[in-house]
Amino acid sequence: EIVLTQSPGTLSLSPGERATLSCRASQSVVSRYLAWYQQKPGQAPRLLIYDASSRATGIPDRFSGSGSGTDFTLTISRLEPEDSAVYHCQQYGSSLWTFGQGTKVEIK
Amino acid sequence: QVQLVQSGAEMKKPGASVKISCKASGYTFTDYHLHWVRQAPGQGLEWMGIFNASGGGTNYAQKFQGRVTMTRDTSTSTVYMELRSLRYEDTAVYYCARVAVPGMAYFQHWGQGTLVTVSS
Repeated sequence: EIVLTQSPGTLSLSPGERATLSCRASQSVVSRYLAWYQQKPGQAPRLLIYDASSRATGIPDRFSGSGSGTDFTLTISRLEPEDSAVYHCQQYGSSLWTFGQGTKVEIK
Repeated sequence: QVQLVQSGAEMKKPGASVKISCKASGYTFTDYHLHWVRQAPGQGLEWMGIFNASGGGTNYAQKFQGRVTMTRDTSTSTVYMELRSLRYEDTAVYYCARVAVPGMAYFQHWGQGTLVTVSS
């Protein structure tokens, strides 16, 4: 089973700043099987990025994904107050799906 | 539009079982597998397993094998997830989820979640 480790655990930034979230895999992940989700309190996760770098429908272009192999990154270029949430990475491999433990983004 | 509507919150005692439903609409039920994902309080997301709505096949995460069963009722387009021998650490919000397109590996559609509380 591929283990995903996200860092940092919490990111506290001001509006307009850039957020860089990391997702590291214990084994190589096929890029088209790496996704990112945003989750706000009391809500189900919302798909942001799929195939490591493709934005889902309706997602603002300030969200971008990159990476390959074992290292993937979610970047929020200019933070907005509504970006305060927990962000999860997720991969698929060998008929199993796994998630990282999440990174909380706080807006100062 | 695709909708996944789950049953309501449950409170169970340790050792009991819980069965949660996920009613699908807005698409052909048998065209897509459904997944179950849970989230303990303050924790990350945890994939539990996948259910083939067409053939009824399953693939469970190793952690839950022997305690979980996923079934369906095609007449009502509903998938069920039963978890047995509940422990305090099974307290979580349980979600059903569906991929965007068959063959894809990411979850576009989610149910609203069902809170299961295990307490004596």
